[in-house]
Amino acid sequence: EVQLVESGGALIQPGGSLRLSCAASAFSVSSNYMNWVRQAPGKGLEWISIIYSGGDTSYADSVKGRFVIFRDSSKNTVYLQLNSLRAEDSAVYYCARSPSGYYFFDNWGQGTLVTVSS
Amino acid sequence: EIVLTQSPDFQSVTPKEKLTITCRASQSIGNSLHWYQQKPGQSPKLLIKYTSQSFSGVPSRFSGSGSGTDFTLTINSLEAEDAATYYCHQSSSLPWTFGQGTKVEIK
Repeated sequence: EVQLVESGGALIQPGGSLRLSCAASAFSVSSNYMNWVRQAPGKGLEWISIIYSGGDTSYADSVKGRFVIFRDSSKNTVYLQLNSLRAEDSAVYYCARSPSGYYFFDNWGQGTLVTVSS
Repeated sequence: EIVLTQSPDFQSVTPKEKLTITCRASQSIGNSLHWYQQKPGQSPKLLIKYTSQSFSGVPSRFSGSGSGTDFTLTINSLEAEDAATYYCHQSSSLPWTFGQGTKVEIK
């Protein structure tokens, strides 16, 4: 059974850094496109980043230059490095899989909460 | 950036009713439109991919249609378990974007 398990969320001060992890099972993160989508409390969904099977990446303007997506194939895990955090980055962060060549999100993790506050 | 606008924002319906949610894109997106269901405290779940293709395991009462800029999600014979927020999502061009969501309440 395909499973995605996020971790790493925390309460962090503005300007701080955090690394989120998304551990995958029953499929290879290197053979699929992996995304991060976030949801601020009581708000809608916001796509923020993708890493393609070939390793290319893309980001939403709201996080470009501050967040970095990468993966470790040996651990079958995708990461999101969050730097220069702002209050408006507070959200539940989900990782979501897109089957290679397709761009819908067919499997989602349970999410991990990031709260940016002093 | 492509903006997706859903209507209505909120709908209260009785069981067995039929519900239609619309999603309008700010420019043509072909058929690159997908629908998700999110229940409180849960992660979103894929319902419909590429406008009208049902995802595996999704009940047949959920269907999608449309093309270009106008799309619809139809739920026939609503059940109590369909209480949720529904989102459309476009994958025509980066950044991928979502509609603001439609909250469905079952009376």
